[in-house]
Amino acid sequence: GDSVTQMEGPVTLSEEAFLTINCTYTATGYPSLFWYVQYPGEGLQLLLKATKADDKGSNKGFEATYRKETTSFHLEKGSVQVSDSAVYFCALSEDVNAGNMLTFGGGTRLMVKP
Amino acid sequence: GAGVSQSPRYKVAKRGQDVALRCDPISGHVSLFWYQQALGQGPEFLTYFQNEAQLDKSGLPSDRFFAERPEGSVSTLKIQRTQQEDSAVYLCASSLARGALQAENTEAFFGQGTRLTVV
Repeated sequence: GDSVTQMEGPVTLSEEAFLTINCTYTATGYPSLFWYVQYPGEGLQLLLKATKADDKGSNKGFEATYRKETTSFHLEKGSVQVSDSAVYFCALSEDVNAGNMLTFGGGTRLMVKP
Repeated sequence: GAGVSQSPRYKVAKRGQDVALRCDPISGHVSLFWYQQALGQGPEFLTYFQNEAQLDKSGLPSDRFFAERPEGSVSTLKIQRTQQEDSAVYLCASSLARGALQAENTEAFFGQGTRLTVV
């Protein structure tokens, strides 16, 4: 079955540092890929997505590129802020007979220190 | 309301007790999902509704778990004879998506979840 593997956290960075959170996936078909973010005390929010190979999703300074050859969707940000502290989830959807059912990775906690 | 609403936010149940968790999706959203999120892990799929039809319940961990959406809007996840391993956050999500086409792959909006603790 489908699965998503992302780097374990916590990831602790200083403000303005460069961020990479690795994500790789296995899927039987051709999935869409997502990054969701969960801020403290809030629900999951879609951060960005990509629906086909070589697409780049971007939002709030974060970006991730759909790499089919390496089955990866790594999240990057050039300069993190304290307000980016949250848990980040990589996910995929194959959208076959199950609406947009999502398969999630285990989550990576990011802590940004001033 | 504007978003997906879940109630209660927190529930403490004694082992063996039955619980019911409610989800109010965004108005007009066709698809509704339930996920289970154990502490420190990612959400795992439980079940999926398209309007009132439960199209996939492959993720329900046992026959103690039951979900319904009788009028195609509000959904209830019921857990009978709760066990300690049922302790988790239960997330509900809704989306406009109605089909299996990539073009209809729309965003899923999540509620804040219900944290269930079985003691």
